[in-house]
Amino acid sequence: DVLMTQTPVSLPVSLGGQVSISCRSSQSLVHSDGNTYLHWYLQKPGQSPQLLIYRVSNRFSGVPDRFSGSGSGTDFTLKISRVEPEDLGVYYCLQSTHFPYTFGAGTKLELK
Amino acid sequence: EVQLVESGGGLVQPGRSLKLSCAASGFTFSNYGMHWIRQAPTKGLEWVASISPSGGSTYYRDSVKGRFTISRDNAKSTLYLQMDSLRSEDTATYYCATPFGVGHHWFAYWGQGTLVTVSS
Repeated sequence: DVLMTQTPVSLPVSLGGQVSISCRSSQSLVHSDGNTYLHWYLQKPGQSPQLLIYRVSNRFSGVPDRFSGSGSGTDFTLKISRVEPEDLGVYYCLQSTHFPYTFGAGTKLELK
Repeated sequence: EVQLVESGGGLVQPGRSLKLSCAASGFTFSNYGMHWIRQAPTKGLEWVASISPSGGSTYYRDSVKGRFTISRDNAKSTLYLQMDSLRSEDTATYYCATPFGVGHHWFAYWGQGTLVTVSS
């Protein structure tokens, strides 16, 4: 299975600040079709996960441009600028290039 | 508006069976692959199973292969997960999910989840 290593586990932030979350995979996420299937989710307390970024850098419908994704191969980053209260929760990366699909263990974004 | 509503969770003894359902609306169900993902209490997310739009292809994680069966009824816009020989480690909230584009294989829309507790 592809191991997805997310860092940090916990990320204290001040409102209005900027943070980055890293996600590294144990093997390349480039699919045979040429696409890279790495996605980012936010799970707010008591809620289902919500899609933020798909295929590395594409924002899902309704996601503010404060969220941006980048990376390639095995190394990916989610950046959040001008953090707002509704951004707090646990962030997960997901790879859907290889079966079984695998998630990172999560990064908890919390207030300092 | 895409809606996914899971049902069928509950308390079940180890070794017994349970069948989950996911009622879909707001999109053409028969055009999209569907997925089950679970989350054990206070833990992370774990993909469980996927099914192609026609139902002709199914995929499972190793730990549920041979015990769980994913299926769909496109006439009823409903996804199912038959869970047999349940174990304590299957205790989790089970989410159904769908992509937003035909042929996409990631999870755009999620249901609210249904809790399965396996305990004697």
